[in-house]
Amino acid sequence: QLQLQESGPGLVKPSETLSLTCTVSDGSISSSSYFWGWIRQPPGKGLEWMGNVYHNGNTFYNPSLESRVTISVDTSRKQFSLKVSSVTGADTAVYFCARVAVGNWFDPWGQGALVIVSS
Amino acid sequence: EIVMTQSPATLSVSPGGRATLSCRASQSVSSDIAWYQQKPGQAPRLLIYGASSRATGIPARFSGSGSGTEFTLTISSLQSEDFAVYSCLQYDQWPRTFGQGTKVEIK
Repeated sequence: QLQLQESGPGLVKPSETLSLTCTVSDGSISSSSYFWGWIRQPPGKGLEWMGNVYHNGNTFYNPSLESRVTISVDTSRKQFSLKVSSVTGADTAVYFCARVAVGNWFDPWGQGALVIVSS
Repeated sequence: EIVMTQSPATLSVSPGGRATLSCRASQSVSSDIAWYQQKPGQAPRLLIYGASSRATGIPARFSGSGSGTEFTLTISSLQSEDFAVYSCLQYDQWPRTFGQGTKVEIK
């Protein structure tokens, strides 16, 4: 059964770049049937879709974040990554990675990684 | 951007009772909606996709209905493990958007 696991620093300073990696196990990241996505959830708030990446590197971003977000994929390592530049306290959130059937819903999800933006 | 509005924000239900959760889209999303269950400290779990299809392993007490702009998730007989936050997702248009969630709590 496909599993996803987020990893990366749990504390980032304001104005710096947040970087997270999602590792895919027990399944292929190169399937043409799926995208790979990032979703975040600020404490006590709802879920926000950030963007998707295809195995060939094609990306789709949420326009509200597009100027600061970069998502990339490394199929050889079975990983995809998220970078958010110029972070502020508003970027404090649990960050989830997930598989996305092409055009469809998110399933499964990783367990999530809490990132706190603070000096 | 399509805004997904869930109601109520909190729903108090007795164990064994019935819960009816609503999700309204600001414009039509056809049947391209999914429902998720989330417990504290856990990732969202897919319950329903295509507005009414149960995901693999989801008990029959969970059912979804609706199309266009009005959607409902019904839990027919609440078990202890069902007390959680439920969120809807529209995947009809970009950007994908979620509702703010409905917390189902023990009455």
